[in-house]
Amino acid sequence: AQKITQTQPGMFVQEKEAVTLDCTYDTSDQSYGLFWYKQPSSGEMIFLIYQGSYDEQNATEGRYSLNFQKARKSANLVISASQLGDSAMYFCAMREGRTGNQFYFGTGTSLTVIP
Amino acid sequence: GAVVSQHPSWVICKSGTSVKIECRSLDFQATTMFWYRQFPKQSLMLMATSNEGSKATYEQGVEKDKFLINHASLTLSTLTVTSAHPEDSSFYICSASPPSRDANTEAFFGQGTRLTVV
Repeated sequence: AQKITQTQPGMFVQEKEAVTLDCTYDTSDQSYGLFWYKQPSSGEMIFLIYQGSYDEQNATEGRYSLNFQKARKSANLVISASQLGDSAMYFCAMREGRTGNQFYFGTGTSLTVIP
Repeated sequence: GAVVSQHPSWVICKSGTSVKIECRSLDFQATTMFWYRQFPKQSLMLMATSNEGSKATYEQGVEKDKFLINHASLTLSTLTVTSAHPEDSSFYICSASPPSRDANTEAFFGQGTRLTVV
């Protein structure tokens, strides 16, 4: 089974609107971390936001927030007030406490912000 | 935040030659580093886990003799693509995390290396 599933290959959003990128995960660990990364066309991986499995509140970092629904095993990324510079690939990732350093990545979502 | 530096950022080589890519953790020691390969518009595919002072652990389907990994120190891992062929052309990216006992430490990535074999 896939550890991380991103079902949206591509998404479009109007500039200044909000957009939600979906991510579901699969793990039997009680301790795990969920991460979102942005990859612009230059190829670098930019860390956006982190949610721990024991965190009771949804993580927020500026215009990024993570809608964490533990029972549904989902960790959707919400980008508010989209900007043209948000156009990029977005990857959801998970790190399990049991397996240590290894990260599992989803297939990614290509976001395009329309002016 | 922590920094991982990867070099070179791009390289063009002739078919049959070898190419070495370096990955350095600049401000933390990394006993483990990861090497990924990424095709256009696709996700990162884990190739191998580089372990300081011991042999790398390769993912299924990755040729050990083709992709040589050396993790000689706590801050440096190298990936050598031997006898490169055009099908090896891809984006290669490394990552490392500061030592942590739990799952809350993000992975820091190098800038990536775009390899083109002609």
